[in-house]
Amino acid sequence: EAGVAQSPRYKIIEKRQSVAFWCNPISGHATLYWYQQILGQGPKLLIQFQNNGVVDDSQLPKDRFSAERLKGVDSTLKIQPAKLEDSAVYLCASSRDESGAFFGQGTRLTVV
Amino acid sequence: AQSVTQLDSQVPVFEEAPVELRCNYSSSVSVYLFWYVQYPNQGLQLLLKYLSGSTLVKGINGFEAEFNKSQTSFHLRKPSVHISDTAEYFCAVSDTGAGNMLTFGGGTRLMVKP
Repeated sequence: EAGVAQSPRYKIIEKRQSVAFWCNPISGHATLYWYQQILGQGPKLLIQFQNNGVVDDSQLPKDRFSAERLKGVDSTLKIQPAKLEDSAVYLCASSRDESGAFFGQGTRLTVV
Repeated sequence: AQSVTQLDSQVPVFEEAPVELRCNYSSSVSVYLFWYVQYPNQGLQLLLKYLSGSTLVKGINGFEAEFNKSQTSFHLRKPSVHISDTAEYFCAVSDTGAGNMLTFGGGTRLMVKP
């Protein structure tokens, strides 16, 4: 079974630029999550999708972050404009049920 | 609201020694509990989970954890560690009925020395 795929693995951008991350979940997993992991901290949930609907986006900074999952499979997370404090690893995860989420390798974003 | 506290940010230990990584949580509702491991430049890998039933849970790589409801703890243990266990370990909690909306602790870096 293929795991959660994310791209790109690394991205360096200047502040005020925009950036987008892509995630392909495990086949058959209805639930998809985006987490932000700042260096030295645990991951923090940004948004949860169930199929193509948003379940929770209470911690997503909506003035600059957006996410979509149009066909209930792949998802993109966008930041526009980026700030220095957005430097982090962005992790995508998916799950089929409540028995645990499976994570991708993440995208390391550096904003300079 | 939930929170997870991992009491030790770093745990150094010699190879083949036992180790315990501590995790305490707070929640007003029933929870599921998880331990994940993160190797450098990698995503998180599920080590083990407690959903219901026996409070002693066994996971991959020889790790186990015990759920203690009265102490709201879910400590991770391994009787004999290897160099390859060197990694960051995260404890996480989710509400039952909230899917896998995980709240993570700050992580514990396990450093196994030869």
